[in-house]
Amino acid sequence: EPEVTQTPSHQVTQMGQEVILRCVPISNHLYFYWYRQILGQKVEFLVSFYNNEISEKSEIFDDQFSVERPDGSNFTLKIRSTKLEDSAMYFCASSEVGFQYFGPGTRLTVT
Amino acid sequence: AQRVTQPEKLLSVFKGAPVELKCNYSYSGSPELFWYVQYSRQRLQLLLRHISRESIKGFTADLNKGETSFHLKKPFAQEEDSAMYYCALKAVGGGSNYKLTFGKGTLLTVNP
Repeated sequence: EPEVTQTPSHQVTQMGQEVILRCVPISNHLYFYWYRQILGQKVEFLVSFYNNEISEKSEIFDDQFSVERPDGSNFTLKIRSTKLEDSAMYFCASSEVGFQYFGPGTRLTVT
Repeated sequence: AQRVTQPEKLLSVFKGAPVELKCNYSYSGSPELFWYVQYSRQRLQLLLRHISRESIKGFTADLNKGETSFHLKKPFAQEEDSAMYYCALKAVGGGSNYKLTFGKGTLLTVNP
């Protein structure tokens, strides 16, 4: 069964540094998402992406965040200048129109 | 705005006992409800969606619009059911393009 993949599985970075989290969605899916989960808290929606543009974003997704689909397979989340509070598990998901398939997540640790 | 509430953070039962994981939602429109499961060190996986009305791994969930609930039930819990369970809502229409709103999750432990 096809799966969403994410790299790296764990990223450690210093405050103020830029990070790029990478995702390969399922190939025939049209909708792409990023969610995050701070330790001990709920999974929170960050952004959805369709037809090469952001279709919705949450209040968490401020100017420090950006998403891109640089080619036909990858979907990336960039955090320009990381803060301590960006430490979380970041999940990528993709879907056709129905339910969303999730990747295994990238654990981001900002020190 | 939509909200999903899972009132129990932890739920512990014995093998063979019935289990019910509660989920209540708040949304003015017509939602789609899902249960996702996350086994230890694995990704979130879809367990059930209300529109399919199926039973997966012995679990069922019925959408009760009157009580705005979507509780997950299994008559006889198994040890392998131990996992984190998340209820999620997808707002259909209203400008919300398919994003999921999650509850905080319930950690189910099934003891031998």
